[in-house]
Amino acid sequence: KQEVTQIPAALSVPEGENLVLNCSFTDSAIYNLQWFRQDPGKGLTSLLLIQSSQREQTSGRLNASLDKSSGRSTLYIAASQPGDSATYLCAVTQDNDMRFGAGTRLTVKP
Amino acid sequence: DAGITQSPRHKVTETGTPVTLRCHQTENHRYMYWYRQDPGHGLRLIHYSYGVKDTDKGEVSDGYSVSRSKTEDFLLTLESATSSQTSVYFCAISESQGRGTAYGYTFGSGTRLTVV
Repeated sequence: KQEVTQIPAALSVPEGENLVLNCSFTDSAIYNLQWFRQDPGKGLTSLLLIQSSQREQTSGRLNASLDKSSGRSTLYIAASQPGDSATYLCAVTQDNDMRFGAGTRLTVKP
Repeated sequence: DAGITQSPRHKVTETGTPVTLRCHQTENHRYMYWYRQDPGHGLRLIHYSYGVKDTDKGEVSDGYSVSRSKTEDFLLTLESATSSQTSVYFCAISESQGRGTAYGYTFGSGTRLTVV
């Protein structure tokens, strides 16, 4: 059974800092990995999708990498802003199922 | 997300009553999913659909049933609601599945269900 773990569970940083969120998964036979953002009381917003054949994806200040063989992905956020405060979820897809990590709750302080 | 809507957004119901949640999409995507989100468990798949009248169980399907009579609508029914089904329910859609797909999942805004 696929298990997805995100470390740390919570992170607080000052504005402007670069930061890395980690995601690990136990079964490397995935189709893709997706990073989401979730604001309190809201739904999930897709940030980046990395296919199993890709190593990284970039969107603005966000960069996600995938090392399928080691079962790891990282989400790099450059020059963090208070508006980046949210919970970040990673999820891996295989067969007809997407498995989620528990998320990292990020707080960026002004 | 404008292409996927869930209704109702909030609902309070009594134990033992039936409840139906609706997910409606305007994207004509083949795949639709129901997840629940609970503290300490994250998001877990309840049921999914891979076409009209084609559905299958997910990780936590006990106590839930689904139906999909049209491409755009996917209904989740709690036949007899219990307090353990108090949760936030999310619907998701995807255009395709399988290895190499370039398409991820798009989520609705969620339905907060409280069973008292």
